[in-house]
Amino acid sequence: NAGVTQTPKFQVLKTGQSMTLQCAQDMNHEYMSWYRQDPGMGLRLIHYSVGAGITDQGEVPNGYNVSRSTTEDFPLRLLSAAPSQTSVYFCASSRPGGGWNSPLHFGNGTRLTVT
Amino acid sequence: EDQVTQSPEALRLQEGESSSLNCSYTVSGLRGLFWYRQDPGKGPEFLFTLYSAGEEKEKERLKATLTKKESFLHITAPKPEDSATYLCAVHAPQGGSEKLVFGKGTKLTVNP
Repeated sequence: NAGVTQTPKFQVLKTGQSMTLQCAQDMNHEYMSWYRQDPGMGLRLIHYSVGAGITDQGEVPNGYNVSRSTTEDFPLRLLSAAPSQTSVYFCASSRPGGGWNSPLHFGNGTRLTVT
Repeated sequence: EDQVTQSPEALRLQEGESSSLNCSYTVSGLRGLFWYRQDPGKGPEFLFTLYSAGEEKEKERLKATLTKKESFLHITAPKPEDSATYLCAVHAPQGGSEKLVFGKGTKLTVNP
C-alpha cells in the first residue's frame, strides 16, 4: 500500500516551459487535491477533485490545469512556467464521503524551481 | 487578515521540557480543526481532528485541545524525535462553499 505517490521529487524548468506533476493514490479515495507550500505561508489549495471527471478551482489556480480521468490519478499541469511558481507542490487525498472534514493523506512533494 | 494563526513560529525545547503550541482561528461555523506533523522533505502527516469546544485527543506525548477560539497542542516530556513542523488547519464554510485553511506552522526543535 503505497498511499499517495508524487513524481518527480525535484524539477528545474526554464520560464515558459510546460510540465506535468504526477500524483497517484492506491487507497480508492474520491477526494484529491493539489497544494503549494511557500516559505512563510500556509499550504494553499490550487485545484481539487471530488471524483473522476469532476474538478474545481482552489485559492490559487492561475497558471495550472488539472484533469481527473481515473480515481487513482490527478496530474497537475503547468502551462507556461513562471518564477512565481517556484514552490513545493503537494498532492493529497481523502477517504470517500468525508469531504473537507476527512484527514488528508499527503504525498512527499515535488520541489519545483523555475529559472 | 489571517484566519488561522499559529504561535510561536519556532520553539526550541530541551528534552523533557513540556510546552504547548497554539492555533487560533477567526472563522465562524467551525466544522473541524486538524493537526498535522511535517518532517523536513516530507508531506504533512495527520495527527488529530477536533470537532467541538471541550474536545481533547491524545497520542503518545501529544494532546490536542479545542476551545471556541483556539486549539492547543500540548507536548509532554518531548524527545528529539518530536522535532518537526506542526501545522494546524481549520475547516469552515466560507462564501457559500466550504474551505480548509492552513496556518503557517510552528517549527519545534527538541534538543537532547
